[in-house]
Amino acid sequence: DAKTTQPPSMDCAEGRAANLPCNHSTISGNEYVYWYRQIHSQGPQYIIHGLKNNETNEMASLIITEDRKSSTLILPHATLRDTAVYYCIVQYNFNKFYFGSGTKLNVKP
Amino acid sequence: GAVVSQHPSRVICKSGTSVKIECRSLDFQATTMFWYRQFPKQSLMLMATSNEGSKATYEQGVEKDKFLINHASLTLSTLTVTSAHPEDSSFYICSAADRGRFTNNEQFFGPGTRLTVL
Repeated sequence: DAKTTQPPSMDCAEGRAANLPCNHSTISGNEYVYWYRQIHSQGPQYIIHGLKNNETNEMASLIITEDRKSSTLILPHATLRDTAVYYCIVQYNFNKFYFGSGTKLNVKP
Repeated sequence: GAVVSQHPSRVICKSGTSVKIECRSLDFQATTMFWYRQFPKQSLMLMATSNEGSKATYEQGVEKDKFLINHASLTLSTLTVTSAHPEDSSFYICSAADRGRFTNNEQFFGPGTRLTVL
């Protein structure tokens, strides 16, 4: 079962930062937080992952709270092509992913 | 790098027939592959985990005799839906991981296969 909770949907204006929250209050010390996104009728696309420290790559930034019970994915300048369902996943049980319901991000012009 | 392909991208079959879906890692060796199913407007549901050269491990509630998984090589896994029925119509997605190359167990997903059973 998924160990994460996310808001079902969020709106964001094009060009503005999109901040997507995720709660994972039962996360264990050696479990990573992954973010993927899925554009309609495609396979999920890897965005970023982290363990304790904040992470940044060319797509996004990941902010993990000090107690690791929640995290935020930040898309610094959202575009219309960022409209997708964003999944926050806590990896456990060896290397299995259990997807939650995700957040539908609507980027509006 | 880290490209995963699936074939076919979509398939329509008659009820009672069997359908095979292929999942290939194109530029890395996948020690582990995963199969997911996604119904319309729902999230991905993990069906099974397969490691190269060994039997697949199925999630609770997934019929292993219905969904046959073979992971015969480090770049290919197949999912066969046997005696398909309309309720098996879904979007089937595979993913692949390689602990040797990718630390922290990232999974790379294929584009999915849309199965429609008439």
